[in-house]
Amino acid sequence: AQTVTQSQPEMSVQEAETVTLSCTYDTSESDYYLFWYKQPPSRQMILVIRQEAYKQQNATENRFSVNFQKAAKSFSLKISDSQLGDAAMYFCAYRSARRGGSNYKLTFGKGTLLTVNP
Amino acid sequence: ETGVTQSPTHLIKTRGQQVTLRCSSQSGHNTVSWYQQALGQGPQFIFQYYREEENGRGNFPPRFSGLQFPNYSSELNVNALELDDSALYLCASGGTSGFSTDTQYFGPGTRLTVL
Repeated sequence: AQTVTQSQPEMSVQEAETVTLSCTYDTSESDYYLFWYKQPPSRQMILVIRQEAYKQQNATENRFSVNFQKAAKSFSLKISDSQLGDAAMYFCAYRSARRGGSNYKLTFGKGTLLTVNP
Repeated sequence: ETGVTQSPTHLIKTRGQQVTLRCSSQSGHNTVSWYQQALGQGPQFIFQYYREEENGRGNFPPRFSGLQFPNYSSELNVNALELDDSALYLCASGGTSGFSTDTQYFGPGTRLTVL
């Protein structure tokens, strides 16, 4: 079974600064997908960024980028130029690339609460 | 906004009762998954429906059941409620091909409190 670990329960960053959130995972599979989701106090889980394991290039989405280290099973999220609206709980998630059944499920870490200070 | 809606927003039930939560998937998506998120935890996979049939299940007892309708709306039913069922229940929809296969889009959730 796959597991996802987020070792930082809480992080804080000053507005306009850069912060990195850590995530490690454990799997025996070679093909999979990794995601970062953001959950603000409104509770809606919002996709921030995704990474396919077969791609060596790190994904980027505007101010959000990842550092994907497949051999180390590490998937960190970097937020540049942090904004007050970035404050939220951030979840790292894993999904198998196998089709069918419970392979479609997302396996989540416990989350990192990010505070952005003005 | 993801286009996925859930109702009701909040719900309070008593131990032993039954509850039905509803989800309307994003247009074009024909898979729906349900997750349970306990306070301070990440979401846990309950089950997924595809073309009106259960297509995968997590470690949840049979008193958690679901339905998916031809219009891709979905229900989560929980019988014999227990105190530990108190949680945020999230619905997520996804498509069946290409990029959309791999990404699930979440609704705002239903907060269930069992007293």
